Amino acid sequence: GENVEQHPSTLSVQEGDSAVIKCTYSDSASNYFPWYKQELGKRPQLIIDIRSNVGEKKDQRIAVTLNKTAKHFSLHITETQPEDSAVYFCAAIGSGGADGLTFGKGTHLIIQP
Amino acid sequence: DAGVTQSPTHLIKTRGQQVTLRCSPKSGHDTVSWYQQALGQGPQFIFQYYEEEERQRGNFPDRFSGHQFPNYSSELNVNALLLGDSALYLCASSWGWDEQYFGPGTRLTVT
Repeated sequence: GENVEQHPSTLSVQEGDSAVIKCTYSDSASNYFPWYKQELGKRPQLIIDIRSNVGEKKDQRIAVTLNKTAKHFSLHITETQPEDSAVYFCAAIGSGGADGLTFGKGTHLIIQP
Repeated sequence: DAGVTQSPTHLIKTRGQQVTLRCSPKSGHDTVSWYQQALGQGPQFIFQYYEEEERQRGNFPDRFSGHQFPNYSSELNVNALLLGDSALYLCASSWGWDEQYFGPGTRLTVT
């Protein structure tokens, strides 16, 4: 089955700086890669996603890039703000689409004032 | 437009007991997936329901079972509870298999 590795496990950045979280996946047939933000005690919230026919997608301060050859994808957050502090999870869906999302272990993003 | 809802919010059970968790999908969604999230970990896929049938299953024992109703709502049942079943149980709804939106979860504690 699919395996997703996520790095780093903790990321501390100064407010206003950029943050980058990286993930790799194992199943070359995976074709959908969402990112979720989970605040303490809250549900995972879908913040951006990318499909395998696209190399980059941007939504205001958030962008995701995908390198199918290297089987890795990254989340980029620019001009970080205190409300960006949360745990971020990358995920992938393996071949067939019905296998369910396979998640990385999460990155705890801390925005220092 | 109501989002994904789950009930109950919290639940405390004793080892060996059985539990039923409920999920109502977002309006317009026809697929419900269930996940288990242990503390400090990412969610793990349990199974997915579409057209009232289990379409795919993750690496969970048969003690975990489910059901989907004609109105697309779903239940997760866990029999013979173990201490290790203590976790946050999340359901996610989607139209098709991608763009999954999560409910608030049910926190299950097994003592």
